[in-house]
Amino acid sequence: RKEVEQDPGPFNVPEGATVAFNCTYSNSASQSFFWYRQDCRKEPKLLMSVYSSGNEDGRFTAQLNRASQYISLLIRDSKLSDSATYLCVVGGATNKLIFGTGTLLAVQP
Amino acid sequence: EPEVTQTPSHQVTQMGQEVILRCVPISNHLYFYWYRQILGQKVEFLVSFYNNEISEKSEIFDDQFSVERPDGSNFTLKIRSTKLEDSAMYFCASSEFVLAGGDRGATDTQYFGPGTRLTVL
Repeated sequence: RKEVEQDPGPFNVPEGATVAFNCTYSNSASQSFFWYRQDCRKEPKLLMSVYSSGNEDGRFTAQLNRASQYISLLIRDSKLSDSATYLCVVGGATNKLIFGTGTLLAVQP
Repeated sequence: EPEVTQTPSHQVTQMGQEVILRCVPISNHLYFYWYRQILGQKVEFLVSFYNNEISEKSEIFDDQFSVERPDGSNFTLKIRSTKLEDSAMYFCASSEFVLAGGDRGATDTQYFGPGTRLTVL
């Protein structure tokens, strides 16, 4: 089983749509959880940290289910500028981050 | 806004040559990292560095790799004898600290530099 698993997509959605990404992780000892965004051939950029209580930042909502080892990201009212690869990232007891392969989102006009 | 910087943006080298990739982490950060991403693949952890020593390294980080903080601002990754399979994007990252316990977990936010694209011919 992969350490962090994501559906690679692509997700092709029209502007204004709501889209959800899911991610599972294998190590139950994982302690920190993030969604990063990566544009083509650029560095990963932090989108949001994910907490057990769930958190929201504007159009973005992230949820964590520790019992199921499952992380989600919801994007409402998609914009063309949201087109990117969304990386599910998990941190353990050490500083190391473990990345998923990413989910490609293409928002169509 | 403070950011991590990396030089060069693109490095082309011959197989067997040594390369040094340079990074300037965010100034008040204490933890430094190198990751790499082979084209079309996921980002992979190479090494973490704190208090002038390696904290953790991955299986990829073999004897051909080394890291150094030669002064108060730079953090370097050296590959002694490059192989074709070392061709990748190398990202430097830094974090202010590592939180211990609590809902926020053990890893503080890591900020990534723009990367150095290494091409080994």
